[in-house]
Amino acid sequence: AQKITQTQPGMFVQEKEAVTLDCTYDTSDPSYGLFWYKQPSSGEMIFLIYQGSYDQQNATEGRYSLNFQKARKSANLVISASQLGDSAMYFCAMRGRLNTIIFGSGTRLSIRP
Amino acid sequence: ETGVTQTPRHLVMGMTNKKSLKCEQHLGHNAMYWYKQSAKKPLELMFVYSLEERVENNSVPSRFSPECPNSSHLFLHLHTLQPEDSALYLCASSQNYGGGGNQPQHFGDGTRLSIL
Repeated sequence: AQKITQTQPGMFVQEKEAVTLDCTYDTSDPSYGLFWYKQPSSGEMIFLIYQGSYDQQNATEGRYSLNFQKARKSANLVISASQLGDSAMYFCAMRGRLNTIIFGSGTRLSIRP
Repeated sequence: ETGVTQTPRHLVMGMTNKKSLKCEQHLGHNAMYWYKQSAKKPLELMFVYSLEERVENNSVPSRFSPECPNSSHLFLHLHTLQPEDSALYLCASSQNYGGGGNQPQHFGDGTRLSIL
């Protein structure tokens, strides 16, 4: 069975600090994709970053980077120089069976000024 | 203009009402999805449409009835809902269903549904 686990229900971080959001996954498929989404309080889901299972390098998108450790089956999201606008729910997701996406339970990130 | 538009943003209805949620995507995508997001639960995939055909129905009660008249529009018809159906309903689209690779799903803002 395929599964995504986010063990941090909530985190508080000081503005301008870096933050790491944990995500572990389980799959028996050799080919898969991992995504991170941000959901502000307004409800919309915003795509942040993607990592393919065969990608040799960790994905980066601006202040977002994905720390992909395939052997440990982890795909942690790193946000550098956090900003107040980063306060939101963050969901890790995996392209699962039949190529639909399964989501973790999310981490609520709160940035302190 | 956002790529995926959902209306209404908020909906309050009684258990005997009939209402519909609407989703429209302007991205030229071929696949559309309905998700349910309840408090303290992971996102639950409800339905998937690819090229206007339903390809996935994840054991959703029959009081939820989807409709996809064309590749740009997706509806979720609601009737005789229960209080536990109160949730945020998110619509999403992607270039293709089963396309693999780095095809993210693009989400709408959601409809926050409250059942009285």
